[in-house]
Amino acid sequence: GDSVTQMEGPVTLSEEAFLTINCTYTATGYPSLFWYVQYPGEGLQLLLKATKADDKGSNKGFEATYRKETTSFHLEKGSVQVSDSAVYFCALKDNNAGNMLTFGGGTRLMVKP
Amino acid sequence: ETGVTQTPRHLVMGMTNKKSLKCEQHLGHNAMYWYKQSAKKPLELMFVYNFKEQTENNSVPSRFSPECPNSSHLFLHLHTLQPEDSALYLCASSHAYAGGDTEAFFGQGTRLTVV
Repeated sequence: GDSVTQMEGPVTLSEEAFLTINCTYTATGYPSLFWYVQYPGEGLQLLLKATKADDKGSNKGFEATYRKETTSFHLEKGSVQVSDSAVYFCALKDNNAGNMLTFGGGTRLMVKP
Repeated sequence: ETGVTQTPRHLVMGMTNKKSLKCEQHLGHNAMYWYKQSAKKPLELMFVYNFKEQTENNSVPSRFSPECPNSSHLFLHLHTLQPEDSALYLCASSHAYAGGDTEAFFGQGTRLTVV
């Protein structure tokens, strides 16, 4: 079955540091890939997405590139802010298996001033 | 604001109580979902409704009973819950087709505490 694996957190960084959160996946079909973010006390919000190999999703300074050869979708940001502190979820949707999302376990990011 | 509204935001209930969680969306979506988010556990998909029909029940105990009266509303009826059912319950909606752009929109969740 489909699965998503994320690096375990928490990830603690100082403000303006470079961020990478690793995400790898297994899927039987041709998935679309997503990053969701959950701020404290809130639900999940879509951060960015990519629907085919070599696509790059980007939003709010975050980027992730769909790498089919390594089955990865790592999230990066060049300079994090305290307001980026949240839990980040990598997810996939297998386009041959309906409209359900498969989520990774989430990675908590803490950014210190 | 994602367009998916959940009420109540917080709920404390005893093990013998009966309560209901409500989810509403006006995004024109025809698929709705319930997820459970427990501390230190991955998101668990509980139920899926497509065009008001339940298409997925992920081995959820019968003390959780979903209801989808129309494509805009989804309920989760709760009765005789256990303390381990305390969690954040998230509702989501999306278009009910397998297109690559189909993304899910989530509500802010209901924080449930069973005492």
